[in-house]
Amino acid sequence: GIQVEQSPPDLILQEGANSTLRCNFSDSVNNLQWFHQNPWGQLINLFYIPSGTKQNGRLSATTVATERYSLLYISSSQTTDSGVYFCAVEPVNTGFQKLVFGTGTRLLVSP
Amino acid sequence: EPEVTQTPSHQVTQMGQEVILRCVPISNHLYFYWYRQILGQKVEFLVSFYNNEISEKSEIFDDQFSVERPDGSNFTLKIRSTKLEDSAMYFCASDLLGGGYTFGSGTRLTVV
Repeated sequence: GIQVEQSPPDLILQEGANSTLRCNFSDSVNNLQWFHQNPWGQLINLFYIPSGTKQNGRLSATTVATERYSLLYISSSQTTDSGVYFCAVEPVNTGFQKLVFGTGTRLLVSP
Repeated sequence: EPEVTQTPSHQVTQMGQEVILRCVPISNHLYFYWYRQILGQKVEFLVSFYNNEISEKSEIFDDQFSVERPDGSNFTLKIRSTKLEDSAMYFCASDLLGGGYTFGSGTRLTVV
């Protein structure tokens, strides 16, 4: 099945710093989403981005589907950005719809 | 913005007991899912449901698990005889097709 790898696995930032999280996937996808899992365990949908670039406030994401990767940019990080960031993809041509999650990047933003 | 609602948020159960986790997907969505996340691990697909039947299930989704959409709005996951290793966060999700998946806030199941 499709492999979804995220890097780095852990990231520690000072408040105000910028960061880039990466998601590589091993096969073509119909869908790619970025999620933030907050300390309470909730999965917050950040972006639905099968291709192209989107921005939402301090966050932006770019997916280059032909090269099988996606990047999530966090600018001017805040302590509330702490948590785990997951990339999830929906493989093409499996015959069924489902999301396959990466292993996540654990982010800690310190004041 | 429409939400996927899950109840309860936290459930504690004795090993061997049956549990039912409940979800109300977004009303015009067509595909429904359950995912599971064991503490500290990644989110894993359990089952997808479309047109009132299971469309795909993972190896995790064995005979102890079942899903139902009894009344056109609720979507339930039943675990017949819980084991310690069933302790996890269970997420319900729904999808319209092509617009992205929306996840509920999860039910934390603790089996003691």
